[in-house]
Amino acid sequence: SAVISQKPSRDICQRGTSLTIQCQVDSQVTMMFWYRQQPGQSLTLIATANQGSEATYESGFVIDKFPISRPNLTFSTLTVSNMSPEDSSIYLCSVGTGPRGTEAFFGQGTRLTVV
Amino acid sequence: DAKTTQPNSMESNEEEPVHLPCNHSTISGTDYIHWYRQLPSQGPEYVIHGLTSNVNNRMASLAIAEDRKSSTLILHRATLRDAAVYYCILRGFGNEKLTFGTGTRLTIIP
Repeated sequence: SAVISQKPSRDICQRGTSLTIQCQVDSQVTMMFWYRQQPGQSLTLIATANQGSEATYESGFVIDKFPISRPNLTFSTLTVSNMSPEDSSIYLCSVGTGPRGTEAFFGQGTRLTVV
Repeated sequence: DAKTTQPNSMESNEEEPVHLPCNHSTISGTDYIHWYRQLPSQGPEYVIHGLTSNVNNRMASLAIAEDRKSSTLILHRATLRDAAVYYCILRGFGNEKLTFGTGTRLTIIP
């Protein structure tokens, strides 16, 4: 299993500012994933973060808007840049464990409100 | 990733079994069928997964059709704590990414 801690758990931010979300895992993992969950919606994958390489972004998400760092095998950050009210969402960090990452674990999420 | 289709919502009485269906007619031979659930105000949690054979664990059972074009998640005795959104997800072999559909919102009636 894996225990994931996300910080902050929630924040209210002014438009035009940036917020960095931290994700800490209690074990070393190869891949970490960042998801967004807009109000009342399902989860959408933003990007995959491998340690030692550039993150891989899904269609519709770009590095300038969502820069990601992955300095080691237990930690990653996601920055939401130049925020607008449309960025108000829950952002979740996830890792896979077990054989070939069979079971995924998720953090509790960061609830972001942009005003 | 192949697409899954689930009912938007279902209701069940407490302490009764619940059968949550999922259609995945375009599943490929190497796709695993995964189920996750998301309790209110929490991140998703793993429930069960399978490839071809039915699977059981402490949380639920997964019944997979012989042609693999559909599956059913079975909660044997629903409790109020099982109220959540349940996601059926196809995951290719070696693919660690999860592509979430809209899921089924399960309501448990006391």
